[in-house]
Amino acid sequence: KQEVTQIPAALSVPEGENLVLNCSFTDSAIYNLQWFRQDPGKGLTSLLLIQSSQREQTSGRLNASLDKSSGRSTLYIAASQPGDSATYLCAVIGDSNYQLIWGAGTKLIIKP
Amino acid sequence: EAQVTQNPRYLITVTGKKLTVTCSQNMNHEYMSWYRQDPGLGLRQIYYSMNVEVTDKGDVPEGYKVSRKEKRNFPLILESPSPNQTSLYFCASRKNGGNQPQHFGDGTRLSIL
Repeated sequence: KQEVTQIPAALSVPEGENLVLNCSFTDSAIYNLQWFRQDPGKGLTSLLLIQSSQREQTSGRLNASLDKSSGRSTLYIAASQPGDSATYLCAVIGDSNYQLIWGAGTKLIIKP
Repeated sequence: EAQVTQNPRYLITVTGKKLTVTCSQNMNHEYMSWYRQDPGLGLRQIYYSMNVEVTDKGDVPEGYKVSRKEKRNFPLILESPSPNQTSLYFCASRKNGGNQPQHFGDGTRLSIL
């Protein structure tokens, strides 16, 4: 059964730093991997979707990479800002169905 | 504006009193889904629907019912709520196909006393 793990559970860094969030999954047979952002009192916002045939996707200051063989993905945030403070979740879709399997998230705090 | 709308946003109720959480989307999406989110456990899927009149169980369907009589609506029904159903609930929708991004509602926080 697919399991998704995100480490660390929480991270606090000063504004301006570049940072990396990690996501690992146990079954490499995935259809795609997605990164979401969750703000308190709000729903989830899709940030990046990496198809299984891709190695990375970029959107603005965000870059997500995917290494299927090792079961890992990273979300790189450049020049962090206080507005980046949120919980970041990764989720995978398995090859056999289109259902998302979620990690528990990393709570990110960017200190001004 | 394209959106997924859930109601209510907050509800405190008592054990055994039937409740319904509504979910509506205006994007003509075929796929809709309900999740619950609990601390340390991430999101877990309750039920999903690939299209009208088609529903399937997710990972944690016990104690819940859904219906999909219209494409835009996907209500979640708790026939006899219990305290272990206290959670944050999210409705989501997307077009069918594995590489379609999901759109989420703002969540419903349920407290069952």
